[in-house]
Amino acid sequence: KAGVTQTPRYLIKTRGQQVTLSCSPISGHRSVSWYQQTPGQGLQFLFEYFSETQRNKGNFPGRFSGRQFSNSRSEMNVSTLELGDSALYLCASSPGTGGGKLFFGSGTQLSVL
Amino acid sequence: GQQLNQSPQSMFIQEGEDVSMNCTSSSIFNTWLWYKQDPGEGPVLLIALYKAGELTSNGRLTAQFGITRKDSFLNISASIPSDVGIYFCAAESGANSKLTFGKGITLSVRP
Repeated sequence: KAGVTQTPRYLIKTRGQQVTLSCSPISGHRSVSWYQQTPGQGLQFLFEYFSETQRNKGNFPGRFSGRQFSNSRSEMNVSTLELGDSALYLCASSPGTGGGKLFFGSGTQLSVL
Repeated sequence: GQQLNQSPQSMFIQEGEDVSMNCTSSSIFNTWLWYKQDPGEGPVLLIALYKAGELTSNGRLTAQFGITRKDSFLNISASIPSDVGIYFCAAESGANSKLTFGKGITLSVRP
């Protein structure tokens, strides 16, 4: 089975721009979660989508949004980028039936200049 | 909010030694998990625990779900160089809810 695929791997943007990150989950998995990882804050939960609906949301501003398509692929968007948005953005997929077993992609490293 | 505490931030051990890591919280959780992250990669699940008191092994790794449901530990026996990485504990408080992660412990293994 192919793993979780995230694109792009690296991204450089400037303040004020917006960015879209993509995630393809493991085949058959219906849940996609997004996490932000920074050296200071560790892994912070952004949101989770299950069957095209946002099921859980973390404590991030509205500039962070996401969506999930009918094939379970997910995109995450960050608008009006700030320097502090520089981070590794990780996508994780799971069957969506609980149990906490998340399977992570390699992440997208976003640098905001 | 819910927090998981992992310390110290870094650990240095000699190849062949055993090492133990704790993860504690003031909140009760229903599921405890341990992940390992290598540089440039996403975290990989090592062990999942679903019942208070449960002790589970995966090769040289052993983890336990604390009786109080507020802590967990991970033990690595006979460490080898490829054990180097960041070890995260994570926990879930309800079905289909988000995972809370600890800040991680960076393990270095001296040959």
